[in-house]
Amino acid sequence: EVQLVESGGGLVQPGGSLRLSCAASEFTFSSYDMHWVRQATGKGLEWVSGIGTAGDTYYPGSVKGRFTISRENAKNSLFLQMNSLRAGDTAVYYCARGDTMVRGRYYYYYMDVWGKGTTVTVSS
Amino acid sequence: DIQTTQSPSSLSASVGDRVTITCRASQSIRSYLNWYQQKPGKAPNLLIYAASSLQSGVPPRFSGSGSGTDFTLTISSLQPEDFATYYCQQTYSTPPWTFGQGTKVEIK
Repeated sequence: EVQLVESGGGLVQPGGSLRLSCAASEFTFSSYDMHWVRQATGKGLEWVSGIGTAGDTYYPGSVKGRFTISRENAKNSLFLQMNSLRAGDTAVYYCARGDTMVRGRYYYYYMDVWGKGTTVTVSS
Repeated sequence: DIQTTQSPSSLSASVGDRVTITCRASQSIRSYLNWYQQKPGKAPNLLIYAASSLQSGVPPRFSGSGSGTDFTLTISSLQPEDFATYYCQQTYSTPPWTFGQGTKVEIK
């Protein structure tokens, strides 16, 4: 079964750092883009980073310069290094697989496999 | 950044009802629009991609339509397991790929 399993969440003080991991199984990890998406309690989904198969990375303004996404294809693993953490970063963090469907001359992108999430709490 | 706005934010419906949720983008995104379902305490689950393509394993009572700026998710006959929160997501051009704020479907 295709699966993503996150780990590394926990309680951290404001200004601290945390590294999340996501272990992938039963698919060719190196062939897919990967993402991190977070959700604060009672709130909606927020995309926080993505990494392409070539190692190209993407971030929204809210985390750029503080978060770093990386991957280790040999270990089928995705990572998120989070620095300078703030109370507003408190959330469940999901890793998700990105995939593409071709229709005509267009490439449509979506996130089709998600992990169960890991909880990050930033508090003193 | 492209914004997506869903309506309504919540709705109450009965089993068997036809339910429609809309998503509007702040600029044209062609058909680069996905829909996800999320149940409490669970990860999101992809329902519809490219505005109208049904993800494998998703019941055919779910359908999507629209292009440009206006999109719709329809549940033709609401089932007990469909009570959840639904999110749209645009994936037009380069990131950030934003989600709508969500629509919670509750039991009437």
